[in-house]
Amino acid sequence: KNQVEQSPQSLIILEGKNCTLQCNYTVSPFSNLRWYKQDTGRGPVSLTIMTFSENTKSNGRYTATLDADTKQSSLHITASQLSDSASYICVVSAIGDDKIIFGKGTRLHILP
Amino acid sequence: DAGVIQSPRHEVTEMGQEVTLRCKPISGHNSLFWYRQTMMRGLELLIYFNNNVPIDDSGMPEDRFSAKMPNASFSTLKIQPSEPRDSAVYFCASSPQGGFSYEQYFGPGTRLTVT
Repeated sequence: KNQVEQSPQSLIILEGKNCTLQCNYTVSPFSNLRWYKQDTGRGPVSLTIMTFSENTKSNGRYTATLDADTKQSSLHITASQLSDSASYICVVSAIGDDKIIFGKGTRLHILP
Repeated sequence: DAGVIQSPRHEVTEMGQEVTLRCKPISGHNSLFWYRQTMMRGLELLIYFNNNVPIDDSGMPEDRFSAKMPNASFSTLKIQPSEPRDSAVYFCASSPQGGFSYEQYFGPGTRLTVT
């Protein structure tokens, strides 16, 4: 069964600290993996998209990694800011039957 | 560009009433997606269109839900009759091309409450 599991469910860190969010998936055959940021009351906004051959992709202070062998991805946030408080959603797409599977997200709270 | 536009932003209705949600995709985008988001289930794809044609509606929960895309710049998601369990945030997204390999741009969502 195609699944995307994210951990932790929620995370609280102090402003300026780094953090890493995890995403494990069983979607097959794999097409691509995206990380979205969703601010409260708004739609998701894409941070990164990675295909099978990409191991790392950065977007400012956000760096996503992908291990297609272990079917794991992580999103690392460097020097967190208050504006990073949001939900982060991992999304995996499958080739062929055109499936898109969403994780339930990690809720990140940055404290001043 | 104004981005994906959804209306209304909030809708409160009584059980049994018809609800229509509206979406205007980004100009030039060929694909449009309707999603539903709840705390329990997260984001779920309901249906998507490519060049105004419904491609996959397997995510539509039941016959009470229907979606149309009469032209490239407008789509509706209708629930008739509505039920309390339909309460959720409904997102519309558009993409430059078909399938899931291309970036999707989400609208602000419509928060639906059915009492």
